[in-house]
Amino acid sequence: QQQVKQSPQSLIVQKGGISIINCAYENTAFDYFPWYQQFPGKGPALLIAIRPDVSEKKEGRFTISFNKSAKQFSLHIMDSQPGDSATYFCAAISRGNNFNKFYFGSGTKLNVKP
Amino acid sequence: GAVVSQHPSRVICKSGTSVKIECRSLDFQATTMFWYRQFPKQSLMLMATSNEGSKATYEQGVEKDKFLINHASLTLSTLTVTSAHPEDSSFYICSARKVSGELFFGEGSRLTVL
Repeated sequence: QQQVKQSPQSLIVQKGGISIINCAYENTAFDYFPWYQQFPGKGPALLIAIRPDVSEKKEGRFTISFNKSAKQFSLHIMDSQPGDSATYFCAAISRGNNFNKFYFGSGTKLNVKP
Repeated sequence: GAVVSQHPSRVICKSGTSVKIECRSLDFQATTMFWYRQFPKQSLMLMATSNEGSKATYEQGVEKDKFLINHASLTLSTLTVTSAHPEDSSFYICSARKVSGELFFGEGSRLTVL
């Protein structure tokens, strides 16, 4: 059973547009939700993360929106740039199990057109 | 962000040989490190969880005698693919967890078994 469901699988956005990637989870014990950015042939890099006590976190052009009641969280990339073209993974984990297992979404391949 | 170094980034070996991949946390101590395998255009598949000074915990379906993991210090974990075969060719990625719970990934190692 997939613990974290991510959509869409792929996304094409024009330069300057907003990219939105969504994730949903079932386990209410999850209390840490990071997003990772991965370029081809490289390891994932931590982009931004949120804890469930806040509904939104913004870092530069990247924003996480968190809806605890709906058990959903999303990544918004404002003013998308060709350099943002990469695969994005959401993840969820429970601090209660000592962070011993991260559950990853299936990934979204973002292509920002010039 | 924290730095996790993975080496080698690429390795080509003959079938039947063993290959060792190193994962080092350069600027923090990681009591827990994780090893993942990633197939093309797919998400990260957790292979094992490595705790410093103890035996690794392998995920279901991962052969522990095939994929030997050693976590001898707080900054180093190694993955040895023993008697490698072409089906072991893949992208292997390590990650290290900070005490705060944040997870940082290495750059990945591309293994090609001829």
